[in-house]
Amino acid sequence: AAGVIQSPRHLIKEKRETATLKCYPIPRHDTVYWYQQGPGQDPQFLISFYEKMQSDKGSIPDRFSAQQFSDYHSELNMSSLELGDSALYFCASSRLGGPGNTIYFGEGSWLTVV
Amino acid sequence: DAKTTQPPSMDCAEGRAANLPCNHSTISGNEYVYWYRQIHSQGPQYIIHGLKNNETNEMASLIITEDRKSSTLILPHATLRDTAVYYCIVRVGNTGNQFYFGTGTSLTVIP
Repeated sequence: AAGVIQSPRHLIKEKRETATLKCYPIPRHDTVYWYQQGPGQDPQFLISFYEKMQSDKGSIPDRFSAQQFSDYHSELNMSSLELGDSALYFCASSRLGGPGNTIYFGEGSWLTVV
Repeated sequence: DAKTTQPPSMDCAEGRAANLPCNHSTISGNEYVYWYRQIHSQGPQYIIHGLKNNETNEMASLIITEDRKSSTLILPHATLRDTAVYYCIVRVGNTGNQFYFGTGTSLTVIP
């Protein structure tokens, strides 16, 4: 079965640069979630989208922005990168946003800021 | 805003049942309890979820207390590959699209 696809899997950027992560949800899934997991930490919810509109916002820094496109894929844009942004970024998707539906996670994108 | 409390670590003998508790005393009537696990920096893997009734699937069973303030995930016959961090998550928000991980339980299955 198709899973959530994230790209790139690994990314190295310098401080103050910009990075963009992409997420392709499972076909027919209309809700996308983004998470950040720092070294030794638990995943932190950043933001979610339902039907191309922002649904909920977590601890996403102001330097980060995200959107969901007409084909339901999503992109997380991170600007003015800091060393502390080095983390594993997960995208997840579900069909029909709402409390009873299963959320499936991708394998993550590793961002290293040097 | 995790809304759940779990023991930080547990051990379980291989082949025995692993019972992982979770406290979610502030859960609201329409909030579901989800369980995921994460094996060393891989994507979190869905295990099971429920609202008020006990649930079972091919991976595990979920027992939710009648007052819904706590639940237990049961892995009936733990294997070494079940060693992972297990997260109990209450899905919150009017949209249900705020999905917060807590600190999880690090389960080690011992040969």
